[in-house]
Amino acid sequence: DAMVIQNPRYQVTQFGKPVTLSCSQTLNHNVMYWYQQKSSQAPKLLFHYYDKDFNNEADTPDNFQSRRPNTSFCFLDIRSPGLGDAAMYLCATSRGVGQQNTEAFFGQGTRLTVV
Amino acid sequence: LAKTTQPISMDSYEGQEVNITCSHNNIATNDYITWYQQFPSQGPRFIIQGYKTKVTNEVASLFIPADRKSSTLSLPRVSLSDTAVYYCLVGRLDTGRRALTFGSGTRLQVQP
Repeated sequence: DAMVIQNPRYQVTQFGKPVTLSCSQTLNHNVMYWYQQKSSQAPKLLFHYYDKDFNNEADTPDNFQSRRPNTSFCFLDIRSPGLGDAAMYLCATSRGVGQQNTEAFFGQGTRLTVV
Repeated sequence: LAKTTQPISMDSYEGQEVNITCSHNNIATNDYITWYQQFPSQGPRFIIQGYKTKVTNEVASLFIPADRKSSTLSLPRVSLSDTAVYYCLVGRLDTGRRALTFGSGTRLQVQP
């Protein structure tokens, strides 16, 4: 059974039109991450939540925002998508401090196309 | 965060052992070393994690020398399905700010 679920798998949005990507988890993990991965590149960390504590990477554009209304769900909002934001967006989770088995579990990703 | 350096690509044949080395010269005392595997159009998947010496699980071994400035992922008897990108990550696991930063990765191609 999928433990980190991303919806939708494929998303097409118009240039400049706000779009929201969703991630849910059944693992009850403290930490949730959002990554952007462009073709033939490594995943790039955008931000992560440790419980409700939001941690933004210094080079993440303001165009990218995130919400975590509860433990299970996390959203990535792109306020005004540009052509350069077309990518695979990956959500991941991991356990918190002091817990065993701290590996991250990734979802299947959402491939975003901007037209 | 400790920067990691890996070979961009490697080639192997089925049945061979593959060793991928990662350099992390500025690794900190509390940093752990973790390896992930990624297939095309899928999210990365955890392979193995270690702090020092040797760690082995059902799919791989991880060798970490005493100075911890490098680590080697060893894949025994690879098959075609091991063709993937392998990422080495270094970071702390004991803090609330759990940034999980990927390096450039090693693209492994396994030939028949």
